[in-house]
Amino acid sequence: DAKTTQPTSMDCAEGRAANLPCNHSTISGNEYVYWYRQIHSQGPQYIIHGLKNNETNEMASLIITEDRKSSTLILPHATLRDTAVYYCIEGWAGGTSYGKLTFGQGTILTVHP
Amino acid sequence: GAVVSQHPSWVICKSGTSVKIECRSLDFQATTMFWYRQFPKQSLMLMATSNEGSKATYEQGVEKDKFLINHASLTLSTLTVTSAHPEDSSFYICSAESGEQETQYFGPGTRLLVL
Repeated sequence: DAKTTQPTSMDCAEGRAANLPCNHSTISGNEYVYWYRQIHSQGPQYIIHGLKNNETNEMASLIITEDRKSSTLILPHATLRDTAVYYCIEGWAGGTSYGKLTFGQGTILTVHP
Repeated sequence: GAVVSQHPSWVICKSGTSVKIECRSLDFQATTMFWYRQFPKQSLMLMATSNEGSKATYEQGVEKDKFLINHASLTLSTLTVTSAHPEDSSFYICSAESGEQETQYFGPGTRLLVL
């Protein structure tokens, strides 16, 4: 079973920031927080991941609380093409593979014109 | 980002036949690849972990003799659904682990329909 909890669905207006929360209260010290999204009928797309520090890339920003029990994915200027299911996942990273990812139900983000 | 391909993208077959799905990491080497299955309106379920040069590790409830996995090189893993039945119809997705980038990259998926 997935160890993260996310809202089932969220709406966002096009051009506005989309803030997707995730709770991972049982995350261990060596586990990263990964975010993926899945657009209908496609394979999941990697967005971003982090361990302790906030992270930013060309797609999004990831804000992780100091206690690491929750995080927020921020899409700064949502577009209609950002409509997808967003998954927040705890996982290992690097070195020998412990990279099993357990997908929950995710958050269905709908971006409206 | 890293690119993972799958072939075929969709396949229709008759019940009782076998179907092979290929997963390739195009611009990086992957010691470990993963195979997932996704039924309509459900999330991805991990089927097995595929390690280059060794036997795959299957998740509980996944029949290893039905879903044969071969990971013969650092860029190719194959999943063969043997004696496919209609209940095997699903969306099969692979991923490849990039140790350098500390993450998994997913293929576009293969939709299997067994008649």
